[in-house]
Parts: sequence; C-alpha cells; structure tokens
Amino acid sequence: QKEVEQNSGPLSVPEGAIASLNCTYSDRGSQSFFWYRQYSGKSPELIMSIYSNGDKEDGRFTAQLNKASQYVSLLIRDSQPSDSATYLCAVPVFKAAGNKLTFGGGTRVLVKP
Amino acid sequence: GAGVSQSPRYKVAKRGQDVALRCDPISGHVSLFWYQQALGQGPEFLTYFQNEAQLDKSGLPSDRFFAERPEGSVSTLKIQRTQQEDSAVYLCASSSQGPDTQYFGPGTRLTVL
Repeated sequence: QKEVEQNSGPLSVPEGAIASLNCTYSDRGSQSFFWYRQYSGKSPELIMSIYSNGDKEDGRFTAQLNKASQYVSLLIRDSQPSDSATYLCAVPVFKAAGNKLTFGGGTRVLVKP
Repeated sequence: GAGVSQSPRYKVAKRGQDVALRCDPISGHVSLFWYQQALGQGPEFLTYFQNEAQLDKSGLPSDRFFAERPEGSVSTLKIQRTQQEDSAVYLCASSSQGPDTQYFGPGTRLTVL
C-alpha cells in the first residue's frame, strides 16, 4: 500500500460546479496535510494546509480532514477553467532528521467551460 | 523576496555523462529538499539538508547520485554516469525550519538520451 493515495483522474467538471478530490494516507501519526496545485510544466504551489479534524476554508477551496478515517479531501467551489491542473496531496513524514513530504500521485482536474 | 531558483531549467545529457543541477533557496531558509518527479507521478523525496548538514539521503536511488550544500545556502545535485531512467524533473524546495511550508523552485527537466 502506498503511503499517500489519490485517484489519478482526470476529474472532469463543468465550469461553476464543485470539484471534489480525495486523498488517503497510511501513517496514523500524521499531523499535518497539504494540498499543492501543479500546472503542466510548472512546479507545485501550496494552496491549502490543514492540521485539525474538520473543515478549513480559504476562498473557493475547502480542505476536510478526518484523522480517524485517515482521509483528507479538497473541494473547489465554483470551478473555473484556470483551476485545471494536477492537485497533489502531501503528508510530511517526521523523523529526527527532518520532515520530508510524501506525495500522492496527484489528481488531474479538467474544468470545461 | 525572490523565490527558490534552479538552473539549468532544461538539461539534455547523453547516457554516461555527468550532470550537476543547482538550487538557490530562499534567503535564510535553513531546510533544503531535493525531489524527483517522473512524468505523471508525484514528486519523490531524494535528500534533505539542514544548513550544510545532509541529514537524510534515504531517497537517493543509487550511489551515482550525490548532493551537497557546503555553505548552507546553494545546493548542487550531481548525477554521475547518467542513465535513461534518470530522466525526470528535479525539484528543489526550501523552508525556514522544521515542518514549515516548503516552497518549490521551477525544477530542472533532465532528459538522458
């Protein structure tokens, strides 16, 4: 089992709809979770971080965390064509020597006008 | 201020050649990470520096890969005797300390022919 898993997609959503992305992780001790957006040919850009169970909203983005189920999700409301990108779920692995990020494979989102 | 910079942005090497990839982190950032991203995959951790100390190199795929950060700022990832399977985007990220947000550079796309 991979440490961080995502559906690869593509997730196709009409403009204005809600895109729902899911991520599961294997380490029950994980405490923080990040969503990165990566446009084709570009580097990952942090869009959301979440540390506590429940929802966290930032503009059109909402992150949801359920540690008991080892599940974190990202909702994109009022999806725009500019939201078309790959969304990466990342979980830090904390060791004495630092906090490398473990990434899922990413979910490709296509927003159609 | 300036973000993470990497050079070159693109590198084409013949199989067997040595290459050196440079990362210039955000000024004052203590932590520096190297990741490898294959096409269609999420980034995979390679190595981690805290200042000039390489604290984790567990992700380096073989002894052909070597990284250094001699003065605690700029880092170089060197790949000796490149192979076709080394073709990927190499991403550098930095953070101020500990589990803080990692900021990614634009990456170096390496193609080994």
